[in-house]
Amino acid sequence: RKEVEQDPGPFNVPEGATVAFNCTYSNSASQSFFWYRQDCRKEPKLLMSVYSSGNEDGRFTAQLNRASQYISLLIRDSKLSDSATYLCVVRDTGRRALTFGSGTRLQVQP
Amino acid sequence: DAGITQSPRHKVTETGTPVTLRCHQTENHRYMYWYRQDPGHGLRLIHYSYGVKDTDKGEVSDGYSVSRSKTEDFLLTLESATSSQTSVYFCAISERDQYNEQFFGPGTRLTVL
Repeated sequence: RKEVEQDPGPFNVPEGATVAFNCTYSNSASQSFFWYRQDCRKEPKLLMSVYSSGNEDGRFTAQLNRASQYISLLIRDSKLSDSATYLCVVRDTGRRALTFGSGTRLQVQP
Repeated sequence: DAGITQSPRHKVTETGTPVTLRCHQTENHRYMYWYRQDPGHGLRLIHYSYGVKDTDKGEVSDGYSVSRSKTEDFLLTLESATSSQTSVYFCAISERDQYNEQFFGPGTRLTVL
């Protein structure tokens, strides 16, 4: 089982739609969580950190569910420019690195 | 955007040749990392550095070595390139430690024939 699992998609949604991605992680001791965005053939860029209480940044909302070991990303009012791959990232206690999921691809259509 | 550059951006080489990739940062961040990204695998850590001359192995370090003689430069060397090392290589930096958010360079696309 992968340490961080994501549905690869693609998620095809119309402009203005609300879309949600989940990501599950295997280590219950994981401590930090992030969502990164990666455009085709570009570098990953930090979208937002995920806090225990959940957090929101404009149209983006991230949630953490420690009991079920998953984090989610909700995008409201999707824009064409939201089309990208979204990477779930987890930090494990005692590990020397962040662990990246393989990503979920979102395609927003006009 | 964080000041991170990578060179070269693209390289094609032959099996058995040595290859060195360079990462340069202008942010004066202490921590630097080398990742590779392959389809279906996500980003995997090759090596990282927590200061000048201080480096450590990541999860896929076999066949790679690194050096950091200055804060701003982190070099990744493939001593004898193999076709399995065909990949996109990303450098990243972070300010405090490896557990905080990281900022990535534009990547180097390496093809080993």
